[in-house]
Amino acid sequence: QQQVKQSPQSLIVQKGGISIINCAYENTAFDYFPWYQQFPGKGPALLIAIRPDVSEKKEGRFTISFNKSAKQFSLHIMDSQPGDSATYFCAARVRGTSYGKLTFGQGTILTVHP
Amino acid sequence: GAVVSQHPSWVICKSGTSVKIECRSLDFQATTMFWYRQFPKQSLMLMATSNEGSKATYEQGVEKDKFLINHASLTLSTLTVTSAHPEDSSFYICSARVAREALGGQFFGPGTRLTVL
Repeated sequence: QQQVKQSPQSLIVQKGGISIINCAYENTAFDYFPWYQQFPGKGPALLIAIRPDVSEKKEGRFTISFNKSAKQFSLHIMDSQPGDSATYFCAARVRGTSYGKLTFGQGTILTVHP
Repeated sequence: GAVVSQHPSWVICKSGTSVKIECRSLDFQATTMFWYRQFPKQSLMLMATSNEGSKATYEQGVEKDKFLINHASLTLSTLTVTSAHPEDSSFYICSARVAREALGGQFFGPGTRLTVL
C-alpha cells in the first residue's frame, strides 16, 4: 500500500513535443506529491509538487495533473527540450508521519531528441 | 535557498575500511535528514531517517551497525559505511527536510559515489 507505481519506464520524445509521465498510488493517506528531476551523477532536484486538494498545478512548461478519485497523478512537460533529458521520479508522502518520508516511483528515463 | 551539500562527491576505498560521508544544509536548519542509496538506473532506496539529537531510524533490511548515522547538529548529518565491501559500492544521497512546506519539503544533496575495491 506504500507503493507508487510509475510509467513508462522510458520515454522518447521529439523536441517541441509533450512528455507525459504517469504515477498511481493506493495509500489514501498520501498528502503531498512531488516530482523530482535527476541528471546522471547528480542528486534529484525538486521540480514541482501538488497537494490532493488541487487538480492541476502549472509552473512554466511543467504541469502536474492530479486525479484524486483515480489515485493517479501525472507530469506533463510541454515543448520538451533536449535539456529536459533526465530521469524523472514521482513521489508521495504520508500525512503527518515518519518526519515527511517520501515513497518514490520507479523512475522514467526521458530522452528528448533534437 | 534550501541548498544541501555532500562531501566527498566521490570516494574510492579498499575493502574493509570505513568511509564517512557528510551531508550539510547550507542555508537552513534541518531537523530531519534522510539517507538514500541508489543503484544504476534504479530508484532511490531510503536507508534511514535521521533526526537531530536522536538515534536514526533505519528502514527494514538496512544494517544499523554497518551504516552508522549521526545527526549532531541542525545542519550536519554523517553516514559512515563501516568495513566497506564491494557490494556497498553505490551512489549515496542525503536529503534534508525543510520545515516550511512552501519551500518544497525535501531537498537533496548532489550525492556521493562510493567505490569499494
